Amino acid sequence: EAGVTQSPTHLIKTRGQQATLRCSPISGHTSVYWYQQALGLGLQFLLWYDEGEERNRGNFPPRFSGRQFPNYSSELNVNALELEDSALYLCASSPFYVQYSTEAFFGQGTRLTVV
Amino acid sequence: AQKVTQAQTEISVVEKEDVTLDCVYETRDTTYYLFWYKQPPSGELVFLIRRNSFDEQNEISGRYSWNFQKSTSSFNFTITASQVVDSAVYFCALSESSGNTPLVFGKGTRLSVIA
Repeated sequence: EAGVTQSPTHLIKTRGQQATLRCSPISGHTSVYWYQQALGLGLQFLLWYDEGEERNRGNFPPRFSGRQFPNYSSELNVNALELEDSALYLCASSPFYVQYSTEAFFGQGTRLTVV
Repeated sequence: AQKVTQAQTEISVVEKEDVTLDCVYETRDTTYYLFWYKQPPSGELVFLIRRNSFDEQNEISGRYSWNFQKSTSSFNFTITASQVVDSAVYFCALSESSGNTPLVFGKGTRLSVIA
């Protein structure tokens, strides 16, 4: 069974541009989560989608947005890129609505570099 | 509010030594789950264990063991007879039943096992 897949693996953008990151969850998983892992800051929760709806978002500005498609895949968009947006962006998925009791399965991440 | 603290930023041990990674959490919920994940250099987080708040039994899986103590709000992870392949960043995480954030992570502990 395929795991969580993310694309692209690496992305280099210029400050002010927009970045689009993609995530395909494990088959049958309805929830997708996005985390930002910047150097020295651990994993910061960004967004949570379930059944096509945004369930919650972390403490990030509105230029971080996303969506979940009918096939449960997800897209993270970052507008007006800033240098501090450089980080590893991790996507995870889980199978049940009762999220708190279920481990999330992570993809390999997209390394975004803003120059 | 939920919070996870991993006070050890980096640990270095010589192969075959035992090592314990500390995790302290804060939560107001009586129902919650604790997790440990491993992040090797490839970047993908690998799930290691899940423990619910009503089960304080310690768990052992091969060279790995976990000590959950509600009295001290700790969920420590011990690797016995460490190996070079154990070198990674290890994250402790918490999920509350009442929370809208799927997983709250500590900042991680980087473990280096030297041959």
